[in-house]
Amino acid sequence: GESVGLHLPTLSVQEGDNSIINCAYSNSASDYFIWYKQESGKGPQFIIDIRSNMDKRQGQRVTVLLNKTVKHLSLQIAATQPGDSAVYFCAEKGGYSTLTFGKGTMLLVSP
Amino acid sequence: DAGVIQSPRHEVTEMGQEVTLRCKPISGHDYLFWYRQTMMRGLELLIYFNNNVPIDDSGMPEDRFSAKMPNASFSTLKIQPSEPRDSAVYFCASSLDAQGAGEQFFGPGTRLTVL
Repeated sequence: GESVGLHLPTLSVQEGDNSIINCAYSNSASDYFIWYKQESGKGPQFIIDIRSNMDKRQGQRVTVLLNKTVKHLSLQIAATQPGDSAVYFCAEKGGYSTLTFGKGTMLLVSP
Repeated sequence: DAGVIQSPRHEVTEMGQEVTLRCKPISGHDYLFWYRQTMMRGLELLIYFNNNVPIDDSGMPEDRFSAKMPNASFSTLKIQPSEPRDSAVYFCASSLDAQGAGEQFFGPGTRLTVL
């Protein structure tokens, strides 16, 4: 049969808007989470991380929120810029495990 | 630091040929990871090393794939013989501590095309 490619969820925003990218993680034992940004033709790049003993962490223009009750992670980008256009991955790990990456969300920023 | 270095950046080969991908991790990082990224399956962990020793190779697709890390500054991923379904972008990443902070630094990747 015909193979189906991975269909990335896409978020389209206007420059200057705030963006919120969501991620549902699978392992309730995960205690560390990272958001990565991957631009076209490049490797994933670390944005921000958070441990499970926190529910919010802020960086420069980015905020990560963690809701352990529903196993949900979000990345908020303030005043989104065209340079923020990329695929964003969440990753989780627990204990001695390695990182497990999500499928990614494509962010498209229009000028 | 130059970051994680991978070579070649692009590789085009014919089915049945041997392919060797190379990686130089960030100096001082004890962990090295090989990933494969495709549209179908996303980012998959193939194998990782700690202090040059392979720890988990459960992600290696089959015996055609092998990886080595002869020293702290060099690793190879070899595919022999290569097949068209091996076409993907292969990333190498390194980190200081897989069990602690966990942040992995990725190289630019090698885009492999097997005809």
